[in-house]
Amino acid sequence: GDSVTQMEGPVTLSEEAFLTINCTYTATGYPSLFWYVQYPGEGLQLLLKATKADDKGSNKGFEATYRKETTSFHLEKGSVQVSDSAVYFCALRNFNKFYFGSGTKLNVKP
Amino acid sequence: GAVVSQHPSWVICKSGTSVKIECRSLDFQATTMFWYRQFPKQSLMLMATSNEGSKATYEQGVEKDKFLINHASLTLSTLTVTSAHPEDSSFYICSAIMREGVQETQYFGPGTRLLVL
Repeated sequence: GDSVTQMEGPVTLSEEAFLTINCTYTATGYPSLFWYVQYPGEGLQLLLKATKADDKGSNKGFEATYRKETTSFHLEKGSVQVSDSAVYFCALRNFNKFYFGSGTKLNVKP
Repeated sequence: GAVVSQHPSWVICKSGTSVKIECRSLDFQATTMFWYRQFPKQSLMLMATSNEGSKATYEQGVEKDKFLINHASLTLSTLTVTSAHPEDSSFYICSAIMREGVQETQYFGPGTRLLVL
């Protein structure tokens, strides 16, 4: 069945460091891919998405490119801030169902 | 952005009792809502799809008689955990789909933590 695998955390970085959170997926057909972010005490929020191969989603300095050849959708940010500390979830949508990765906690230290 | 609320945010109950969790879309109508369950350090697991005006669609392995879902209106879906047991303790999250033309966006509630003693 469809599934999403993302790197385990926590990931701890200093402010202004480069961030990569790896995400790979298994799916039939042509899924849409998403990154969601969950700040402490809040619900999941959509961070970015890509609906077809080679699309790049971007928001708030974060980027992810839909790579069908490697079935990946890695999240990147060139310079993280303390306010980026949160849990990040990679997800796919296929046939109107969502599948989530286990989440990666990011801690950014000043 | 759109807001989805859940009530209560946390609940503690005795084994054998039933617990109802509400999910509301506050500023949009949602014909489709989802219910998820999340265990510590694990991903969200889809439990069921709640459709306004019709029966919910449950995922394989989810007991429909255990987890009763009612989507009574375009802004409210409820999940009732019947005869709760300690193994039902978990974090329950709902989401609602907002449709604008061909665009669909999923908005999540903040979750409800259930502890069954």
